[in-house]
Amino acid sequence: DVKVTQSSRYLVKRTGEKVFLECVQDMDHENMFWYRQDPGLGLRLIYFSYDVKMKEKGDIPEGYSVSREKKERFSLILESASTNQTSMYLCASRWREGDQPQHFGDGTRLSIL
Amino acid sequence: SQQGEEDPQALSIQEGENATMNCSYKTSINNLQWYRQNSGRGLVHLILIRSNEREKHSGRLRVTLDTSKKSSSLLITASRAADTASYFCATEGGGFKTIFGAGTRLFVKA
Repeated sequence: DVKVTQSSRYLVKRTGEKVFLECVQDMDHENMFWYRQDPGLGLRLIYFSYDVKMKEKGDIPEGYSVSREKKERFSLILESASTNQTSMYLCASRWREGDQPQHFGDGTRLSIL
Repeated sequence: SQQGEEDPQALSIQEGENATMNCSYKTSINNLQWYRQNSGRGLVHLILIRSNEREKHSGRLRVTLDTSKKSSSLLITASRAADTASYFCATEGGGFKTIFGAGTRLFVKA
């Protein structure tokens, strides 16, 4: 079974802090994603990486950056955390080719105080 | 923008009953997927149906796709309390984006 592991289930940070969310997958997937999930809004794509060192902006990249130095690891960075970034953050991965589902981690519930 | 829109937003049924959730979308797609999310957890993939398929089954799940109406339905037969979760449809139309709807919250009463 595919395993996508997010480093923290719960995280509390202060405004202005630089925050790192880590995600590791064990299936050699090329594609990795970061979403945020807010009530009533579904999942919104922040960033996508289609291979090592490759990235594309999603729908809401402002205030975020990402890093993919190794295939199995995709990091989301909040450059200067703000209260409106309080949310559930979900990481996912999938194979590149064909009609493939995404495999999700358990999420990080991030609170910015 | 959200492509998939689920209907109803919430559904409450008795154990043993069938649950039907619908999804509508706006643009052409390559495939449509259904995911389940238990409270406070990540999404789990349930079933993927390609644009050239009309119906697909997996255990107690039945998914239909009508590309002329741009809609899909997920049927869970003989619901169990453990089926209580949120269910999301997601569409892929080429490129890297998978667009998720806001979900249907299903509550199955024991």
